[in-house]
Amino acid sequence: AQKITQTQPGMFVQEKEAVTLDCTYDTSDPSYGLFWYKQPSSGEMIFLIYQGSYDQQNATEGRYSLNFQKARKSANLVISASQLGDSAMYFCAMTGTSYGKLTFGQGTILTVHP
Amino acid sequence: DGGITQSPKYLFRKEGQNVTLSCEQNLNHDAMYWYRQDPGQGLRLIYYSQIVNDFQKGDIAEGYSVSREKKESFPLTVTSAQKNPTAFYLCASSTGQLNQPQHFGDGTRLSIL
Repeated sequence: AQKITQTQPGMFVQEKEAVTLDCTYDTSDPSYGLFWYKQPSSGEMIFLIYQGSYDQQNATEGRYSLNFQKARKSANLVISASQLGDSAMYFCAMTGTSYGKLTFGQGTILTVHP
Repeated sequence: DGGITQSPKYLFRKEGQNVTLSCEQNLNHDAMYWYRQDPGQGLRLIYYSQIVNDFQKGDIAEGYSVSREKKESFPLTVTSAQKNPTAFYLCASSTGQLNQPQHFGDGTRLSIL
């Protein structure tokens, strides 16, 4: 079975500063993928970034980067230069060998202050 | 535009009534999924389908049913057996490959009258 743990129910950051959202995972699958999604108050799920378990380099997508530490089973999301529009719920999720099934964490609410 | 369409946006159910949530995708994806989200919580998998005419139970399938008669469509029925159906329901689709993200619809909010 797979498990995702997000230990920060809420985080605050000042506009233009960087913030790290924590994610740890547990799986017995030899190959897996890690995803981060953003959910604004309107409810839609927006895909942000992906990291494969065999990827040698940390993934980056614009202001988003994933700090992947395989030995520690962590996949933290780093948002640089925070913007007011980054205020949302953020979910870490993973797939394994079960045909793209996603297991989600409980989420972290990020609030960006002006 | 390619994407996933869920309808209705809001739905109200009376006691003892079955209701069906629609999910249509034009992304030509093989796999489709239904998730339930309770307030302040993560998403939990209800059912998923890897291919037309085939589907599997997820973690919380009791009280729900699905069909997959067409590649584009994956409707979810919330039956009267689901005693606590009030939640936000999200449909998603993907190629099914490990490294491909799931694409989500805008969701349906279901409430009990």
